[in-house]
Amino acid sequence: AQRVTQPEKLLSVFKGAPVELKCNYSYSGSPELFWYVQYSRQRLQLLLRHISRESIKGFTADLNKGETSFHLKKPFAQEEDSAMYYCALGTYGQNFVFGPGTRLSVLP
Amino acid sequence: NAGVTQTPKFQVLKTGQSMTLQCAQDMNHNSMYWYRQDPGMGLRLIYYSASEGTTDKGEVPNGYNVSRLNKREFSLRLESAAPSQTSVYFCASSQRAYGYTFGSGTRLTVV
Repeated sequence: AQRVTQPEKLLSVFKGAPVELKCNYSYSGSPELFWYVQYSRQRLQLLLRHISRESIKGFTADLNKGETSFHLKKPFAQEEDSAMYYCALGTYGQNFVFGPGTRLSVLP
Repeated sequence: NAGVTQTPKFQVLKTGQSMTLQCAQDMNHNSMYWYRQDPGMGLRLIYYSASEGTTDKGEVPNGYNVSRLNKREFSLRLESAAPSQTSVYFCASSQRAYGYTFGSGTRLTVV
């Protein structure tokens, strides 16, 4: 069965430090991976998709099929990055599977 | 372009009361979803509709019913609210490969 894990419930870093939010998935086919962000009391917003290989708000994520990972990275964290981050797996003909989320707290 | 619109934003119910959460999307998406979000539980799928005229149970359907009224609208009904249904509810729609678009959420408290 498809599954997404995000091992850290909470990740705290200082402003200006690098940040990496981990995401691992289990799926035997070709996955579509996404990162969503939810700022305090707001809706979930699509942050980036692996198929577009884009960088949004300084965040990047590379799909590593060998390690079945899609970690989210940013070289220099900003206080406004504090939010809840969800990794999501899309598979053909199935609904998305969301990870449990990681709360990122960027300290001043 | 409003995206996904949910109403109401907040609601307090007494145990046993009923209510319907409304959701509408203007992106011509085929698929629509209802999730609940609880602390430490992430997002859990309640029901979904892959296309107009079809609905299917998700991970936590008990205590809920849904109606896909047309391509735009997908409502969630609580027939007899229970305190365990206190949560934040999100509606979403999608068109494959482009991810999900979420509504702004409904914060429901059942007392």
